[in-house]
Amino acid sequence: AQSVTQPDIHITVSEGASLELRCNYSYGATPYLFWYVQSPGQGLQLLLKYFSGDTLVQGIKGFEAEFKRSQSSFNLRKPSVHWSDAAEYFCAVGVQTGANNLFFGTGTRLTVIP
Amino acid sequence: GAGVSQSPRYKVAKRGQDVALRCDPISGHVSLFWYQQALGQGPEFLTYFQNEAQLDKSGLPSDRFFAERPEGSVSTLKIQRTQQEDSAVYLCASSLGITGADSPLHFGNGTRLTVT
Repeated sequence: AQSVTQPDIHITVSEGASLELRCNYSYGATPYLFWYVQSPGQGLQLLLKYFSGDTLVQGIKGFEAEFKRSQSSFNLRKPSVHWSDAAEYFCAVGVQTGANNLFFGTGTRLTVIP
Repeated sequence: GAGVSQSPRYKVAKRGQDVALRCDPISGHVSLFWYQQALGQGPEFLTYFQNEAQLDKSGLPSDRFFAERPEGSVSTLKIQRTQQEDSAVYLCASSLGITGADSPLHFGNGTRLTVT
């Protein structure tokens, strides 16, 4: 069965510092992988996605993520965090068949301090 | 509007009441999903529509939950005889393609349901 683990419930970084949010997935075939961001009271916004090809994918707002099949990971990174990046981040794995095809992790809450 | 619209934004219901949550997807989007997001958790799949057909309702937690999309656009999620465990944010998402895996989902802002 497919699953997503985000081991960090809450991360605090200083503005301008680099950021890495961890995501590990479990899926028997080649996964589709996504990162979404959710600001308080808002829906989820897609940051980036990986389907195939280059394992380093670029997203919006300066985010990138790297797919590492050997580690079953899809970590999200940003070289310099801005205060507006404070939000909840969700990693998700998409399966290739069926309608119930997005499985989310429990999220990582990012706090940015001045 | 350009995005997915959900109403109401907030709903407080007394235990045992029925509620109806509305979702207006992006025009032309074929797929529509409902998710339930409990406090501190990620969204969990409830049900999926392809146009007006409900192709998957395996995530609905009980027969008190019912969803419809009669004309293939607006969808309503109905919860009968609400219970406290139904308190959550209910998210609607739509996508242009047939499935969400390769056709990115566009989420609404959700309806926060509180059952007292």
